[in-house]
Amino acid sequence: GNSVTQMEGPVTLSEEAFLTINCTYTATGYPSLFWYVQYPGEGLQLLLKATKADDKGSNKGFEATYRKETTSFHLEKGSVQVSDSAVYFCARDRGSTLGRLYFGRGTQLTVWP
Amino acid sequence: KAGVTQTPRYLIKTRGQQVTLSCSPISGHRSVSWYQQTPGQGLQFLFEYFSETQRNKGNFPGRFSGRQFSNSRSEMNVSTLELGDSALYLCASSLEGAETQYFGPGTRLLVL
Repeated sequence: GNSVTQMEGPVTLSEEAFLTINCTYTATGYPSLFWYVQYPGEGLQLLLKATKADDKGSNKGFEATYRKETTSFHLEKGSVQVSDSAVYFCARDRGSTLGRLYFGRGTQLTVWP
Repeated sequence: KAGVTQTPRYLIKTRGQQVTLSCSPISGHRSVSWYQQTPGQGLQFLFEYFSETQRNKGNFPGRFSGRQFSNSRSEMNVSTLELGDSALYLCASSLEGAETQYFGPGTRLLVL
């Protein structure tokens, strides 16, 4: 199959806590992997991506490593801020020329001061 | 460089009507994809256009259609609206289909 599974939310953390949002994928081939973030009332913003095994994507303190052996792409941040409160989506492409993303269900993150 | 723009941002329609949504991709991007986002189904792929041709389609009924113009702008149309079509419709563009997709703010459609 072709799917993306990410941990169910909501996730509630205090400011400066460590964040992990798990994401695993199934795919035939070698897709690129993405994390998108959606703030309330907005569209999706690309947070980070990785295009091949062992690549690490990083942006704004967030990191995720493409693990082919475990088919995972977990999102981590060492110290979250209130402004990180949003919905986070893990996604993969088809690993081909066709432009289509497969998304996880999203994880709502709320950070309290 | 301007991002992906979508118009209108909000729309209210009644059952049975039809609606057309518009998407202008980032300048130079030739691929445009459409997604429907609902609380129940999450993000679902509708279709992708590249150089005015639909080359990829999701599992939606024929009431959902789209097109792309020579300037890469795209429209999607939903005919005979149903209550279940209420959703956020997101457009994304990329240089080529396989490249990173950049999303617009979406059009929120409410069907009454």
